[in-house]
Formats: sequence, C-alpha cells, structure tokens
Amino acid sequence: GQQVMQIPQYQHVQEGEDFTTYCNSSTTLSNIQWYKQRPGGHPVFLIQLVKSGEVKKQKRLTFQFGEAKKNSSLHITATQTTDVGTYFCAGTTTSGTYKYIFGTGTRLKVLA
Amino acid sequence: DVKVTQSSRYLVKRTGEKVFLECVQDMDHENMFWYRQDPGLGLRLIYFSYDVKMKEKGDIPEGYSVSREKKERFSLILESASTNQTSMYLCASSLSIWRGGRYGYTFGSGTRLTVV
Repeated sequence: GQQVMQIPQYQHVQEGEDFTTYCNSSTTLSNIQWYKQRPGGHPVFLIQLVKSGEVKKQKRLTFQFGEAKKNSSLHITATQTTDVGTYFCAGTTTSGTYKYIFGTGTRLKVLA
Repeated sequence: DVKVTQSSRYLVKRTGEKVFLECVQDMDHENMFWYRQDPGLGLRLIYFSYDVKMKEKGDIPEGYSVSREKKERFSLILESASTNQTSMYLCASSLSIWRGGRYGYTFGSGTRLTVV
C-alpha cells in the first residue's frame, strides 16, 4: 500500500537556524498537504501543493513539490520558538479524493 | 471558522468496555475521518465517511466500528476496549473537492483514551 515517510523524525535547532523536513512517497502523488501540530494541540492545515515542481511560500516557510510528484519538502528560514511542533505531510494518489495518507511527522524543537 | 468538536478530552476505560467517541462538525462538511495518533507512528486512519450512512475502512479498522446517522456527527466505537487501543484519537472533517474543498482537513482537539 501507499506509504509516506518523513525525515528526520526529530530535529533540534538553535533559534535563528534554518530547518528542513522531507517527505517521500512510495507512489506518485496527486497532491500533497502540510500540517503543523503544536505540543498538546491538534494538526492544523498549512498548505496544499498540486503541480509538479510547485513552490509556495508562507512568510518564512517554503514548500516544494518534487518534479516527479513523489517527494516534498518544508523549509523554515531563521526558526523562531513559535515554530516548535510536529510537521506532517499528507498525500493522496487520486485527484478528487478525500483520503490522505499522513507521513510519520518531524518533531521540531527550537532552542532559544 | 469550522469547528470540529470531540466530546471528551480525556477518557479512562476498563478493558472489555464498549467505548463511544463522538465527533461533531458545524460546517456542513461531507467527509469525516477518525485517526489515532501514537508516538513514532504518525496519524493512522481508522475509518472515514464521505456521506451520511456511508463508511469505509481505513488502514487499521480492526477492533473499531463507526456510525454516521447525521451529516454533522461521526462516532467511533470500540466494541471491546483493549489496552493496545490506548491512544490519542483525532476526528477530522473536510469539504468535498467538488464543492471547492481544497483547504485540507480540520481536526478536533482529540480524545486521549486510556484503557486499563
């Protein structure tokens, strides 16, 4: 079955350093979503990428969808303590579907 | 804002009990989901529903069942709770894609279930 893996599982960075998490799918994806879960909270939708090679930015966050639509990345520039949390990618193999497979998540800790 | 409300934040149940987890959303979403979240395993889909009275198995349906009698409510049932069902349970909803649903899932706050 479809699998979505994320690396790294954990990342500790000093405040101000950059951070990147990678998402890899065993199958070609129709689109991919990213979520953030703060400690003690629930996942919150950040963004959706649909096109091959697509790049989207939200302030310090940059999201990329690979050319082959099998991988994606989230890059945070100059991390802040508010970036702490777990970042999940979620992908689907079929356009128009409602079912997404979530990655294992990357837990980010930012040291002040 | 879409709200997805889960009836309990924390639950403690005994092995063998029948457990009901309730989830209600207030934005007329067609799709509803139940996930469990465990450390190192991410979110795993238990069941989902794309319409009233419709349900489909996710990746880990064993030991669970669901009910969707009304569009806004999706219930997860543990027929006979076991200790390996101790977990965080997250309910989510989404708008169907043909109604413009491109904004991901909206999750509830979760229910932390402990089975003793």
